[in-house]
Formats: sequence, C-alpha cells, structure tokens
Amino acid sequence: EPEVTQTPSHQVTQMGQEVILRCVPISNHLYFYWYRQILGQKVEFLVSFYNNEISEKSEIFDDQFSVERPDGSNFTLKIRSTKLEDSAMYFCASITRDTEAFFGQGTRLTVV
Amino acid sequence: DQQVKQNSPSLSVQEGRISILNCDYTNSMFDYFLWYKKYPAEGPTFLISISSIKDKNEDGRFTVFLNKSAKHLSLHIVPSQPGDSAVYFCAASASGNQFYFGTGTSLTVIP
Repeated sequence: EPEVTQTPSHQVTQMGQEVILRCVPISNHLYFYWYRQILGQKVEFLVSFYNNEISEKSEIFDDQFSVERPDGSNFTLKIRSTKLEDSAMYFCASITRDTEAFFGQGTRLTVV
Repeated sequence: DQQVKQNSPSLSVQEGRISILNCDYTNSMFDYFLWYKKYPAEGPTFLISISSIKDKNEDGRFTVFLNKSAKHLSLHIVPSQPGDSAVYFCAASASGNQFYFGTGTSLTVIP
C-alpha cells in the first residue's frame, strides 16, 4: 500500500534555530498538507500546497514558516527561527482529488 | 472559529457494545467527511468517509451517518473491540480542498 514518509521521526532543536521537516508524499497525489498537533491539543491545519504554490494557509503559518517542493518528490516545511511553542507533532498529508488524505507517521519536534 | 466540533473528548464503552462518536460542523459548503483513527505517536489513519450525496456509509463494523440538515455526523462501531481504543478525528472538506479537523474523541473499549 502506498504511504507518506516523513523524516526525521524526532528532531530536537534549540530555540531560535532553523529546522526543516521532510516529507515524501505519494507520487501521483496532487495536494499536499502540513498539520501539527501540540501535545494534548487538537490537530491544526498549517498549509496546503497545490501546483507548486501555497493554496491555503492558517494564521499559525506566519513568516517563520515556509514550504517548498524542491525536486518534485520531497515536500518540506521549514521553520526559520523556532520557538518553544513550535514543539509539536508535525504531520504531512497528500491526496488526489476526491480521495481521503494519507498521512505520514509524523515528526516530533522538540524545541528546547 | 472552529468549523468542525467533537464535543465529547472521551468515551468509554464495554467490549461488544456499540460505540457512537459524534461530530458537528458549521460550514454548509462541506461536501466530504471523513473519520480518522489515531494511535499514540502515530499519524492519523483513514477509517471511513461519506460524501454529502449520501446519508449513510458502511464498512464492516464501521458505519458513518450524515445528517445534513442538522450538520451532524456520527460514527458507529458495532461491536466495539479493545483494539478500537484510539483517538477518533472527524474531518470535513469543501470540494476536496483543505481538511478541517475536530479536536478528537478518545475512545476506550473496556474488555
């Protein structure tokens, strides 16, 4: 069965450092998403990406966040200057039109 | 403002009984609804979906009901099994775009 792969599984970083979270979506999918879940809280939408550009983003996705699909396969989320409150599980998802989204296993980001 | 709401943060059910998880939404443009199951330290996995043209979809022990007039959907698990213990998320989208998630309901099935 196809799957979405995320690396690393766990990232520890110091406050103020840049992190890049990587995702390999399912190859024929068209829409890509990043979600996050702070421990004990709801799953939150960050951004959706279609046709090599951001299609929607939430208020969480401020100037410190960026996404790109550098080589047509990887889909990355960059946080330029991490804050303590960025600590969360980050999930990547991909979808074709009219199907459910497939989620990766997540990257646990810990900012210290 | 939250567009998808799961008002019960937790639910406990005896093994063999029916689990009913509820979800309400506010956006009448939503036309596709999904339920995801999530185990600790894992990503959500798709469970079952329903489009707005239907009011019921069944897959084995799982049935999703959609009441468009009430903007309400529910997931029924019959019979409940201990392996069903997980957090269940309801999600909705309009025309296959951004998914909006509820806050989740933690289901515990007691053996």
